Amino acid sequence: AQSVTQLDSHVSVSEGTPVLLRCNYSSSYSPSLFWYVQHPNKGLQLLLKYTSAATLVKGINGFEAEFKKSETSFHLTKPSAHMSDAAEYFCVVSDPQTGANNLFFGTGTRLTVIP
Amino acid sequence: DTAVSQTPKYLVTQMGNDKSIKCEQNLGHDTMYWYKQDSKKFLKIMFSYNNKELIINETVPNRFSPKSPDKAHLNLHINSLELGDSAVYFCASSHFSGHEQYFGPGTRLTVT
Repeated sequence: AQSVTQLDSHVSVSEGTPVLLRCNYSSSYSPSLFWYVQHPNKGLQLLLKYTSAATLVKGINGFEAEFKKSETSFHLTKPSAHMSDAAEYFCVVSDPQTGANNLFFGTGTRLTVIP
Repeated sequence: DTAVSQTPKYLVTQMGNDKSIKCEQNLGHDTMYWYKQDSKKFLKIMFSYNNKELIINETVPNRFSPKSPDKAHLNLHINSLELGDSAVYFCASSHFSGHEQYFGPGTRLTVT
């Protein structure tokens, strides 16, 4: 079975400093992995996705994530936080066994950016 | 030019009532979904339809009934609402063969 663990429920950074949001997954197969962002009272927006191509994935708004099979990790990073990055971030894995469209969400990490 | 839209955005109702939430997408996708987000922000899939046929049906009370009149619409009807149904419900869509799902803005349901 697929599952995702987001190691931090809340991360706080100062504006202009790097962002690291951690995600570990468990999968018996080659997974597809995603990061979604949810701004307050908004829907979810896809930041980036990994689908067995390049292990370093670049997304929107300067975010990127690296797929590390040996560590079963897919951490999200950004070199310099912006105030507009404050939001809830979800790491997501797809389940090839039940169908690529069955997504499993992590519990989310709330990112706070301090001016 | 909204991609995935839901109505209403907010829904406040009393226990025991029946209510519906509508979802429409104009992305040309053939698969649509309903998710429930609880008060702790945890998101879980409820249903998925491909070309108007049910393909994912997680353990959800049968008070919840999805209806897909065509590929662009997936509505969620809830009978006999309970306090525990209070949540934010998200609709999403994708190409069946793809992985990216596009989400609507959500419907915040409050049952009193």
